[in-house]
Formats: sequence, structure tokens, C-alpha cells
Amino acid sequence: EIVLTQSPGTLSLSPGERATLSCRASQSVSSSYLAWYQQKPGQAPRLLIYGASSRATGIPDRFSGSGSGTDFTLTISRLEPEDFAVYYCQQYGSSPETFGQGTKVEIK
Amino acid sequence: QLQLQESGPGLVKPSETLSLTCTVSGGSISSSSYYWGWIRQPPGKGLEWIGSIYYSGSTYYNPSLKSRVTISVDTSKNQFSLKLSSVTAADTAVYYCARHTPDFMVAEPFDIWGQGTMVTVSS
Repeated sequence: EIVLTQSPGTLSLSPGERATLSCRASQSVSSSYLAWYQQKPGQAPRLLIYGASSRATGIPDRFSGSGSGTDFTLTISRLEPEDFAVYYCQQYGSSPETFGQGTKVEIK
Repeated sequence: QLQLQESGPGLVKPSETLSLTCTVSGGSISSSSYYWGWIRQPPGKGLEWIGSIYYSGSTYYNPSLKSRVTISVDTSKNQFSLKLSSVTAADTAVYYCARHTPDFMVAEPFDIWGQGTMVTVSS
């Protein structure tokens, strides 16, 4: 099983600032099958990024993903008020599909 | 527009079987491109994939839960279901259904999710 470790656990930032979230895998993620999700309280996760760097339908271009192998990054270029949420990475290249423990982006 | 909706009891007694159904609307569960999965999230914690099913009935499960999980499909009703046996308090969680494509096909992540349903295990 591939274990995903996200850092930091919490990121305290102000609107307009840049957010950089990390996801490290315990072994190489096949074909960069790495996704990022955003989850707000009481809501289901929403797919943001797939294939490590492709934005899902309707996702603003302030969200970008990068990385390969075992190290991946989600960047939010300028935080909007609606971006404060918990973010999860997920690998779907090998079974079982696994998720990271999440990074909370909170308002400073 | 494809939508998924979970349904089932919100309270289950310890040692009993948790049963949930996901109804797919706005599209067919019999699509050749997708699997249909269950994911859970304990209160305040992260996400755990439980297992998934194809419209043909082919299934695959998370090894950590495999001995207690059964997922089935009813294409006539456009539904798939989860059964989790011998539940304990540790199975208390929000349960989501979602669409994806697994790694043995052209892998795609969970792109459409239901809203989730809270299940509490308590006597």
C-alpha cells in the first residue's frame, strides 16, 4: 500500500497570499496518478487536480499541481476567501487507492 | 448531469451489518468506462477507500476491510450497495459513494461524489 504524507498539517495564510501544499508518497506513484481534492465542512470532497497537474473541469487557474515519482505539490497562487478548506492528495495508480491525511488551509 | 445519492440507516448497532445504497441519476451505471466506489471518513479524520464495483458485478476491495465488505450492483435500478458486517464504533463515519476508473483500466480519480451519509455505530 502506498502511504501518502501531507505537509504541513495546517497552513495559516491571508487572502491574496500563495499557498504551497506538499504530498510525499512512500513509493513512486504510477504514471503520476496523483489527484488533489478540496473539502469544505459538511461537503463531499471536490476534485481539483488529476494526473498530478491537470485541472478538473471548472477549476480556476489559480490552482496548479506539479511533481512526479514520490513528491507532489499543490499551489494556490492567490488565496480567495472560498479557498480556505482542507486539501487531500490521493494516489489512484495502484490498489488500494489511498489518501493523504489532509492539509488545512486556514485564515491567518 | 450525473448525480449520486447515498441512502440508508443513520444508526447501526455494534456487531450488526451496515447497509447503504447509492442511487445514480442523470446517467447510466452501466457505462463501460467507470467503476462505482465507496469511501468513508470518520468524524474529524481523513478519507478511506472501501471498495468498488463495475456494472458487470466485478468488485475489488481495500484489503484492510475485505473480510467484512460486500458491494453489489442493481443495474435495473441504477443503484449499487454496500454491506459492512460486524461493525464497531470504529466504523462510525460519513460514507460517500463516487465514480472512478481503477488502475487496471485507464485510471481516473473520484470525479463525481455523493453528498455523503453519516452512519453512527452505537447501541
